Amino acid sequence: SQTIHQWPATLVQPVGSPLSLECTVEGTSNPNLYWYRQAAGRGLQLLFYSVGIGQISSEVPQNLSASRPQDRQFILSSKKLLLSDSGFYLCAWRVSSYEQYFGPGTRLTVT
Amino acid sequence: AQSVTQPDIHITVSEGASLELRCNYSYGATPYLFWYVQSPGQGLQLLLKYFSGDTLVQGIKGFEAEFKRSQSSFNLRKPSVHWSDAAEYFCELDSGGYNKLIFGAGTRLAVHP
Repeated sequence: SQTIHQWPATLVQPVGSPLSLECTVEGTSNPNLYWYRQAAGRGLQLLFYSVGIGQISSEVPQNLSASRPQDRQFILSSKKLLLSDSGFYLCAWRVSSYEQYFGPGTRLTVT
Repeated sequence: AQSVTQPDIHITVSEGASLELRCNYSYGATPYLFWYVQSPGQGLQLLLKYFSGDTLVQGIKGFEAEFKRSQSSFNLRKPSVHWSDAAEYFCELDSGGYNKLIFGAGTRLAVHP
């Protein structure tokens, strides 16, 4: 069965500090992976997607970057966090029939 | 341009009452449409999906949704709400491309005992 792990679950970081959020997928190979950010009271904003190792597409200009060093690993990073980076970050695996399976999310608070 | 609108930000219903959550979309062709549910602090879970064919689709947890092309709508319904249905619900439009995934802003459902 499909399982998506995200860690950490929660994170409190000061402005200007680096960030690394990790997402791993079990039960599949060569998944299409997505990073979303969810701000309070708003829908999901697509940040990045990846169709394979080393292949990253960015959807919005921002302070964040993504990498896919392994087939089932997707990492979201920042060199210097901004207050506006606070939010709930979700990793998702989009299957061939287009539905998505989501990880449990990471709550990031930038102080 | 593609868009998804969920007109109701908050809805409160009594347990046992019927429920309808609205979703309107804008897209030039027939999209793939989904409803997801999110419990507080959790990821999203797929409730149901529409691709083509029968316009009334059944999902998990007793939910159903009806696709109405003439109204550009995909409303989610449940005949009798349970307290455990309290959550946030998201409608999504997928046009099939890798990055053409659009979520509505969500509807937060509260259930009174």
